[in-house]
Amino acid sequence: QKEVEQNSGPLSVPEGAIASLNCTYSDRGSQSFFWYRQYSGKSPELIMFIYSNGDKEDGRFTAQLNKASQYVSLLIRDSQPSDSATYLCAVLYSTLTFGKGTMLLVSP
Amino acid sequence: DTEVTQTPKHLVMGMTNKKSLKCEQHMGHRAMYWYKQKAKKPPELMFVYSYEKLSINESVPSRFSPECPNSSLLNLHLHALQPEDSALYLCASSQSPGELFFGEGSRLTVL
Repeated sequence: QKEVEQNSGPLSVPEGAIASLNCTYSDRGSQSFFWYRQYSGKSPELIMFIYSNGDKEDGRFTAQLNKASQYVSLLIRDSQPSDSATYLCAVLYSTLTFGKGTMLLVSP
Repeated sequence: DTEVTQTPKHLVMGMTNKKSLKCEQHMGHRAMYWYKQKAKKPPELMFVYSYEKLSINESVPSRFSPECPNSSLLNLHLHALQPEDSALYLCASSQSPGELFFGEGSRLTVL
């Protein structure tokens, strides 16, 4: 069983802080990793993907991948209340496997 | 046009009804997907079409029947559903594996 694990949260951070969302996966052979954001009542939206070890930055978002530790993270700098959502980590095995998601709450 | 359009947005049906969910994308993506999502759960893959051919069926009950009439359209035919099939049904498309573009979903209620 190929698994993707996330802390369900909620993770609460104040506005302007850095939010750190974490994900572990079970299969060392995985090569492709994704972060989706899902607002309540809406569909998931791809916000980041990362294929190589290290960091990948896009605006306020940084994805970090450590294949040796089988660990993926998403950092959100200068968190805004509009970032409050559930963040789904996904790993591509033969198909895309989603974690259960971490709810992020950013308080003004 | 970067949208995946799903209709209807809401559907209520009885257990003896036959209905269809529709999905359309005009991004030229080669793959289209149906996912099912229950409240506070991640999306669950149901079907994958690649180049208009069914490539993955995740052991979905036969009361769900997918159809891909062409590269832009994807249907999900529903028949004799159960109340536990009530969920948000998401269509997605992709050109690269894992990089999915989701529609807004069709919220299905089975009475």
